[in-house]
Amino acid sequence: DAKTTQPTSMDCAEGRAANLPCNHSTISGNEYVYWYRQIHSQGPQYIIHGLKNNETNEMASLIITEDRKSSTLILPHATLRDTAVYYCIVRVADSNSGYALNFGKGTSLLVTP
Amino acid sequence: GAGVSQSPSNKVTEKGKDVELRCDPISGHTALYWYRQSLGQGLEFLIYFQGNSAPDKSGLPSDRFSAERTGGSVSTLTIQRTQQEDSAVYLCASTNNYQPQHFGDGTRLSIL
Repeated sequence: DAKTTQPTSMDCAEGRAANLPCNHSTISGNEYVYWYRQIHSQGPQYIIHGLKNNETNEMASLIITEDRKSSTLILPHATLRDTAVYYCIVRVADSNSGYALNFGKGTSLLVTP
Repeated sequence: GAGVSQSPSNKVTEKGKDVELRCDPISGHTALYWYRQSLGQGLEFLIYFQGNSAPDKSGLPSDRFSAERTGGSVSTLTIQRTQQEDSAVYLCASTNNYQPQHFGDGTRLSIL
């Protein structure tokens, strides 16, 4: 799996957009960008994933650069409940072969009132 | 719909005892993963099941750890003769082909 680089921590004011960057300059053509988050004392929660097109769902938007070497997760209106560690993971899609997720250290996002 | 369910949510036991941790995956998910997360650390892969078979056991830390899955559904992770370094949160995830893994909230295991 390609290596990812994320800032260790970020702050965001409640109600503002949180933009979390991720660098993955060694990404391969068949590797997706996945985002998970882990709120204290809970299991990791899937947020969104994409291959090359920008993606949006009810939780967030994912913007992937044209060269696919970096991406940004956007939480459009952050709330206090979005305080969590956010993980950017690059890997091939799950299949019958199975691939464990490598979570790395992630970005600790603190949303402040 | 129902997510991944793990039980117990917390387990405290004495060193040397055996423990069994249970994972109920999302209905219909064929693949199941076990991970563990030690305090302040990232997730460590333990074992992967496709159906009832475990093609990848490479992450099991020692022969005290074993896992099985029956009926392509429920999985149990067994730790024999527990040691203090086994204290961690044990997480289970399930998925179907080409879908993201979905996690339970884990079992917090404390070895006294």
